[in-house]
Amino acid sequence: DTGVSQDPRHKITKRGQNVTFRCDPISEHNRLYWYRQTLGQGPEFLTYFQNEAQLEKSRLLSDRFSAERPKGSFSTLEIQRTEQGDSAMYLCASSLALTEALNYGYTFGSGTRLTVV
Amino acid sequence: TQLLEQSPQFLSIQEGENLTVYCNSSSVFSSLQWYRQEPGEGPVLLVTVVTGGEVKKLKRLTFQFGDARKDSSLHITAAQPGDTGLYLCAGVNYGGSQGNLIFGKGTKLSVKP
Repeated sequence: DTGVSQDPRHKITKRGQNVTFRCDPISEHNRLYWYRQTLGQGPEFLTYFQNEAQLEKSRLLSDRFSAERPKGSFSTLEIQRTEQGDSAMYLCASSLALTEALNYGYTFGSGTRLTVV
Repeated sequence: TQLLEQSPQFLSIQEGENLTVYCNSSSVFSSLQWYRQEPGEGPVLLVTVVTGGEVKKLKRLTFQFGDARKDSSLHITAAQPGDTGLYLCAGVNYGGSQGNLIFGKGTKLSVKP
């Protein structure tokens, strides 16, 4: 297993365009998280899936954002009508069940750097 | 709202010096985790601490979880240029939050040769 993969690594888009990012978690991990990190800040939680069910969404996740995990494997994060304030690093993480995650941590991907011009 | 405050925010030291990074909160956490992040990459787990008062060592790095499980520290002995990076502490709880990590803003460490 090569860890958590994210694609693309970098995305430059014009304001108002839609973008979609993909995350492939570690295969046996049933929990998948999306985070956003802006310059000089720690990552901020966006949303969480357990298998294919989206169980929690942050208030940061406006109605322009949507995330899916259709078969409980890979996940996509779509941003519609992008704004300059959406420029950030979007990180995906996966983990086993909560008790394992508390003890063994989460595995992060390398992120997708989004620049909205 | 649970918050984690890290200090210092920036640290620039010479190779061979020792340093301590602090992570404080008014909230209790089930677990505190420390991650290291390189520019343009995702955070990489260094250690998790789950028991109040717990101390864990990872080569030259020593991690401590406060007795009340509200704070943690990371001490690096004889820092090396390879230790340069962003150090993030993150707390997580059972229940309610579904286990999502709450991160501090990070400590940006620069170790000069």
